[in-house]
Amino acid sequence: QSALTQPASVSGSPGQSITISCTGTSSDVGGYNYVSWYQQHPGKAPKLMIYEVSNRPSGVPDRFSGSKSGNTASLTISGLQAEDEADYYCSSYTSSSTVVFGGGTKLTVL
Amino acid sequence: EVQLVESGGGVVQPGGSLRLSCAASGFTFDDYAMHWVRQAPGKGLEWVSLISGDGGSTYYADSVKGRFTISRDNSKNSLYLQMNSLRTEDTALYYCAKDECGDCIGGMDVWGQGTTVTVSS
Repeated sequence: QSALTQPASVSGSPGQSITISCTGTSSDVGGYNYVSWYQQHPGKAPKLMIYEVSNRPSGVPDRFSGSKSGNTASLTISGLQAEDEADYYCSSYTSSSTVVFGGGTKLTVL
Repeated sequence: EVQLVESGGGVVQPGGSLRLSCAASGFTFDDYAMHWVRQAPGKGLEWVSLISGDGGSTYYADSVKGRFTISRDNSKNSLYLQMNSLRTEDTALYYCAKDECGDCIGGMDVWGQGTTVTVSS
């Protein structure tokens, strides 16, 4: 159950677009369309932003989008806003019927 | 309003036990799998365990297998985590979370506020 690999940090200016990658294996990300993305602000519980690779829960802005190619999933945030500054985590269902998270990415809005 | 409220955290010595509870409201509890996820101070999220809607299937992270037991009481809309043989590395904020998928394991769309477990002598 090795954690999925995410960059430790990314940054962008307001209005720009950024992409966070999440790399796993064929036993998790590559094998199932059950990749999710979470946003976590300091001291707060995580919030689901994307589920099943590319679906947005009600209330999540369409500036947030998800995709997957092979063993790597990606979260793209377009039109960056100050309130997007947070930690982001990916997760995936695995072949062991478990769930694995990525190590997290700190997004800084410059 | 859909809500999850955890309780039962506290300070315990290494080797000790603790039972966490999570009270659910605002949705049909037994329609959904439920998860426990933890976050050590200053660290990332770590998935701990999940249980199917009917309670018949349970799964665990390797780090807690054999020490933790997840269970649920659908008549009480409640989720539990029995933690035995606790180690200092189990110190974390423990969240319960609802799965968004009714018959699969998808994303966790509802989270509680968490309950803190501290393992220290």
